[in-house]
Amino acid sequence: NAGVTQTPKFQVLKTGQSMTLQCAQDMNHEYMSWYRQDPGMGLRLIHYSVGAGITDQGEVPNGYNVSRSTTEDFPLRLLSAAPSQTSVYFCASSSTGRNTGELFFGEGSRLTVL
Amino acid sequence: GEDVEQSLFLSVREGDSSVINCTYTDSSSTYLYWYKQEPGAGLQLLTYIFSNMDMKQDQRLTVLLNKKDKHLSLRIADTQTGDSAIYFCAEEGGGYQKVTFGTGTKLQVIP
Repeated sequence: NAGVTQTPKFQVLKTGQSMTLQCAQDMNHEYMSWYRQDPGMGLRLIHYSVGAGITDQGEVPNGYNVSRSTTEDFPLRLLSAAPSQTSVYFCASSSTGRNTGELFFGEGSRLTVL
Repeated sequence: GEDVEQSLFLSVREGDSSVINCTYTDSSSTYLYWYKQEPGAGLQLLTYIFSNMDMKQDQRLTVLLNKKDKHLSLRIADTQTGDSAIYFCAEEGGGYQKVTFGTGTKLQVIP
């Protein structure tokens, strides 16, 4: 099983450029989310979605947009990259059924903004 | 809002026990989790505890929950070099399936 797939794994941008981080899952999970990981700060929630057509903001949404047109895909868009967005980004998904709420993570996308 | 705190670093000798501690703030959390992150990889669920439990044991892992003090700990018995990783405490709270993570504790196992 592929699980959660993120692309690209590495990306270097210049300040002001835009890009999209892709995330796809093949587990038919309703819940999907994006986190960023920074040294000493753990994982912080950027945006999340509880189903196709539904998105909501997390703890640090500024500078990021998301959409959820299908159950499988949850892309994260940076409209105008800033050096403060240099980070490792993780996509995660979960089933909303009666379970433990375990999150399944992708391998991460390392973004550097110069 | 929710806040989960952990110490940043722990070093133990191979064969000793490791204890990683965590404090959280949301008393309404249903589940509390321990995730493990190996270098260059995403997080994987290591174990979890339901909020109405005090302890959970799973092979070398023991999770202790003190709800009064909002304190969670993970004990790894007979720590091995393969246990070297970052361990994240997390709580489910603050809304529908929103999971808040701690800062992570980097465990270094010395051979």
